[in-house]
Amino acid sequence: AQSVTQPDIHITVSEGASLELRCNYSYGATPYLFWYVQSPGQGLQLLLKYFSGDTLVQGIKGFEAEFKRSQSSFNLRKPSVHWSDAAEYFCAVGATGRRALTFGSGTRLQVQP
Amino acid sequence: DGGITQSPKYLFRKEGQNVTLSCEQNLNHDAMYWYRQDPGQGLRLIYYSQIVNDFQKGDIAEGYSVSREKKESFPLTVTSAQKNPTAFYLCASSKNSGSSSGELFFGEGSRLTVL
Repeated sequence: AQSVTQPDIHITVSEGASLELRCNYSYGATPYLFWYVQSPGQGLQLLLKYFSGDTLVQGIKGFEAEFKRSQSSFNLRKPSVHWSDAAEYFCAVGATGRRALTFGSGTRLQVQP
Repeated sequence: DGGITQSPKYLFRKEGQNVTLSCEQNLNHDAMYWYRQDPGQGLRLIYYSQIVNDFQKGDIAEGYSVSREKKESFPLTVTSAQKNPTAFYLCASSKNSGSSSGELFFGEGSRLTVL
């Protein structure tokens, strides 16, 4: 069965600092990988997705993620964090023929002034 | 604008009562999903439907029921059999049926509190 691990429950960074959120997945074939962001009490918004091709994926709001097959990872990065980036971030994995996306447990990001 | 509408946003229920959460989409998507969100546990799949008049159990279907009589609607009923129903419920849809490779579009969620 496919699974997703987000090892960091909570991360705090200073505004303007760089950010990396970790995501590891478990799946036998090439997965489809997603990063979503959720503001408190809201639904989830897609940041970026990887299906195939270039392993470095650009998303909205200045985020990017890199698919590393050898490490089974899909880490999310941003070079300079803004206060408005404070939210919860979810990594998800899917695959053709699978029923639905499987989500990680999320990483809550706090941004210090 | 196209999107997914969940209602109500907040709901309070007494123990032993059934409650139905509404989910409507005007994106013309084939597939619809219900997830439950609890702090620290991410999103867990309750039920999903890939086509009208068909739906499948997810990982935590016990105590829940759904229907898919129309393409645009996928209501979720939380029954009295659900042992711990207090949670945040998210409805989603995707364009493709029979595949999870597609992006999920989410509603704003419904927060259910059992008193």
